[in-house]
Amino acid sequence: DAGVIQSPRHEVTEMGQEVTLRCKPISGHNSLFWYRQTMMRGLELLIYFNNNVPIDDSGMPEDRFSAKMPNASFSTLKIQPSEPRDSAVYFCASGRDRARLNYGYTFGSGTRLTVV
Amino acid sequence: SQKIEQNSEALNIQEGKTATLTCNYTNYSPAYLQWYRQDPGRGPVFLLLIRENEKEKRKERLKVTFDTTLKQSLFHITASQPADSATYLCALGTGNTGKLIFGQGTTLQVKP
Repeated sequence: DAGVIQSPRHEVTEMGQEVTLRCKPISGHNSLFWYRQTMMRGLELLIYFNNNVPIDDSGMPEDRFSAKMPNASFSTLKIQPSEPRDSAVYFCASGRDRARLNYGYTFGSGTRLTVV
Repeated sequence: SQKIEQNSEALNIQEGKTATLTCNYTNYSPAYLQWYRQDPGRGPVFLLLIRENEKEKRKERLKVTFDTTLKQSLFHITASQPADSATYLCALGTGNTGKLIFGQGTTLQVKP
């Protein structure tokens, strides 16, 4: 099992550009989460999906952020246009529907985004 | 407002001692609470889960307690080792949604 795979690992982009972060969850996991981590705010939940359907996107900062999950093996988080304050590490995590009762969630290695 | 508080100051202890980390919460009614470990440059790794109706859970050198009256969880690492040095995050889950909200984490440094 390769775990949760995120790409790219690092992204440096100029303000105003579009950024797309990608995530491949663990096969068989039907819950997927996008988190953002900064020193100031810690780990913030942006959005999560269950069976490819967005359940709660109340953490998405603003309309510049959007997330999709077209199938069970792929999700994207897009920022358009990007701003310097979006600089953070973005994590994707996946889990089984009942994972919360026993196994927790599995996180990817994250994408470090720097907007200059 | 809802808040999850972990000690923001690093915890420094000597190898072999027991480390105790605290997670306090307000305005939540969590159905369960999880603890994760995070190493620099890596994603969090799940350690333990405890449900609201459980008082204590153990796994090897780890022990978690959950007091819903005090709104607090304690995380203990016994016989600590330098390899236990990391940031430890608590996370609360509410209801059946699977939504997990994290605290800021506490950094543990175990000195040889």
